[in-house]
Amino acid sequence: EIVLTQSPATLSLSPGERATLSCRASQSVSTYLAWYQQKPGQAPRLLIYDASNRATGVPARFSGSGSGTDFTLTISSLEPEDFAVYYCQQRSNWPRLTFGGGTKVEI
Amino acid sequence: EVQLVESGGGLVKPGGSLRFSCIVSGFTFSDYTMTWVRQAPGKGLEWVSSISRSSVYIHYSDSVKGRFTISRDNAKNSLYLQMNSLRAEDTAVYYCARESVGGVRAGTDSWGQGTQVTVSS
Repeated sequence: EIVLTQSPATLSLSPGERATLSCRASQSVSTYLAWYQQKPGQAPRLLIYDASNRATGVPARFSGSGSGTDFTLTISSLEPEDFAVYYCQQRSNWPRLTFGGGTKVEI
Repeated sequence: EVQLVESGGGLVKPGGSLRFSCIVSGFTFSDYTMTWVRQAPGKGLEWVSSISRSSVYIHYSDSVKGRFTISRDNAKNSLYLQMNSLRAEDTAVYYCARESVGGVRAGTDSWGQGTQVTVSS
């Protein structure tokens, strides 16, 4: 099973600041990685697929990069609505999916 | 508008059974692989099961294999999850979700609102 490790567990930032979230895979997943945002009481929302492609309707301040085992989600300038939990998901074994443990972005 | 609406959650005793339904609208259900994902209280997301468009390919996580059964009825735009031999650790919000076309290069692009299951005596 491919294990995804996200860091940090919590990121404390202010609106307008840049957020950099990391996801590391226990073995190569090529670019088959997605990122999701989840707010309290809501379902997850797809942000990024295939490591660097923004999903429909996702603002340009969200960007993804990486390949192999190391991936990054960057939020260039945090908006108040961006404070949430972010999960990475490997799709290399699709449809057997695994998620990382999440990074909480808080004020 | 794409919509996925789950139903069937509730409180059940350990060892009991429950069946979820997920009715979808706004897209051609038979064109998509569908997935169940769960989230235990205060925890992260866990993939549970997926079923291909025509039900030929079915996959389960090791934690539910042999106890849960995923199925679909394309004529009724419905996805199901039959859960048997429930355990306390199955307590979670269960999400019905759609896998976008593209498989490994895509994402889980639409989600239901989730339905709560609590397994407790």
